[in-house]
Amino acid sequence: DGGITQSPKYLFRKEGQNVTLSCEQNLNHDAMYWYRQDPGQGLRLIYYSQIVNDFQKGDIAEGYSVSREKKESFPLTVTSAQKNPTAFYLCASKSEQGIYQPQHFGDGTRLSIL
Amino acid sequence: GESVGLHLPTLSVQEGDNSIINCAYSNSASDYFIWYKQESGKGPQFIIDIRSNMDKRQGQRVTVLLNKTVKHLSLQIAATQPGDSAVYFCAAPNQGGKLIFGQGTELSVKP
Repeated sequence: DGGITQSPKYLFRKEGQNVTLSCEQNLNHDAMYWYRQDPGQGLRLIYYSQIVNDFQKGDIAEGYSVSREKKESFPLTVTSAQKNPTAFYLCASKSEQGIYQPQHFGDGTRLSIL
Repeated sequence: GESVGLHLPTLSVQEGDNSIINCAYSNSASDYFIWYKQESGKGPQFIIDIRSNMDKRQGQRVTVLLNKTVKHLSLQIAATQPGDSAVYFCAAPNQGGKLIFGQGTELSVKP
């Protein structure tokens, strides 16, 4: 089935450690996104990419980094500079065929601090 | 800044009743709106979308109504079932094209 796969489902980070969250899609979508979700809040955009080898900062990019070497993959690294990384991280993708296309989401990675 | 917000953080309905979840937006230039359903521990699932050239769009047991005059949209779920229990978000692109999400309404269905 076509979809977006995020892994791992749960991740624990130690002090001073960088961790990488995986996002893979087989929908042939050009655009991919990373969001952070905190309890009782709407989704906040971290980074997005509209094409391979190009990405832009979202509203809360500090302490995060991404790469887009392949169309299917958009990994997110949570660096030690992110002082409050505990959250639910969501990856999304969207077709760029036409203006009015919804984003489709994976099932998220929950990151906690050890 | 631009905002998209839901009117009620929680909504409780009896199984079999109709549910109405409301959402307001601030950008009068918004021309596309999306409703998502998020179950506990999962990512948001696309339910239905509507463009601003429409007032109403129907899906399977769901209807979205758009009132551009008052910048309001609603999601109606017919014959609500226990499986409909989830958090529902509306979303709309801002002037830069990025999606802005509301905080969500948690729908609880009582048997």
